[in-house]
Amino acid sequence: SQQGEEDPQALSIQEGENATMNCSYKTSINNLQWYRQNSGRGLVHLILIRSNEREKHSGRLRVTLDTSKKSSSLLITASRAADTASYFCATGDATNKLIFGTGTLLAVQP
Amino acid sequence: GAVVSQHPSWVICKSGTSVKIECRSLDFQATTMFWYRQFPKQSLMLMATSNEGSKATYEQGVEKDKFLINHASLTLSTLTVTSAHPEDSSFYICSARDPMWGQGGRREAFFGQGTRLTVV
Repeated sequence: SQQGEEDPQALSIQEGENATMNCSYKTSINNLQWYRQNSGRGLVHLILIRSNEREKHSGRLRVTLDTSKKSSSLLITASRAADTASYFCATGDATNKLIFGTGTLLAVQP
Repeated sequence: GAVVSQHPSWVICKSGTSVKIECRSLDFQATTMFWYRQFPKQSLMLMATSNEGSKATYEQGVEKDKFLINHASLTLSTLTVTSAHPEDSSFYICSARDPMWGQGGRREAFFGQGTRLTVV
């Protein structure tokens, strides 16, 4: 099963610009997580935001969560070519079963 | 962070044969592991939850007899694709729950590097 949609599906920006990705989900959640996947590889956990939190920062990452709208956004500031990857949001329930969104393919041009 | 290793990284098999994929937690014990399937340029679809010492819990639409999951030890879960067909070709990824799950709000999952299965 798939929790929701991410937009945009693909995003191309220049190095140094900010990248914003959005995620919408359908059911109530315990937490929402963002993961990164390089082509053909496993996933790397980036950041987790709990359902009672509204904003969280980690380095160049900023995540917001609006439970009333069932949506979240991931902002990557001052992007680098090495940030090129697919980014997925995933909603977690109390058992940590993760349901992933459709993903955003980010390309950062040097 | 905790390390999850998947083996093999890629495998090609003939139609009708079975393929086993291993998922190991290298430096922690994982009572719960998850198996996902990913088609090209698509998201991860949860197939099943693997519980050590008990039967796996499959998601709706996933054939239990087709995708056999065994979690016989605290560090190993296996997924066997039985009587594989070309439509089973996909990228299979496992994950394990953070060993400190629930403590201090930790809810991270650690992923293996994935296995690309091609059935010819």
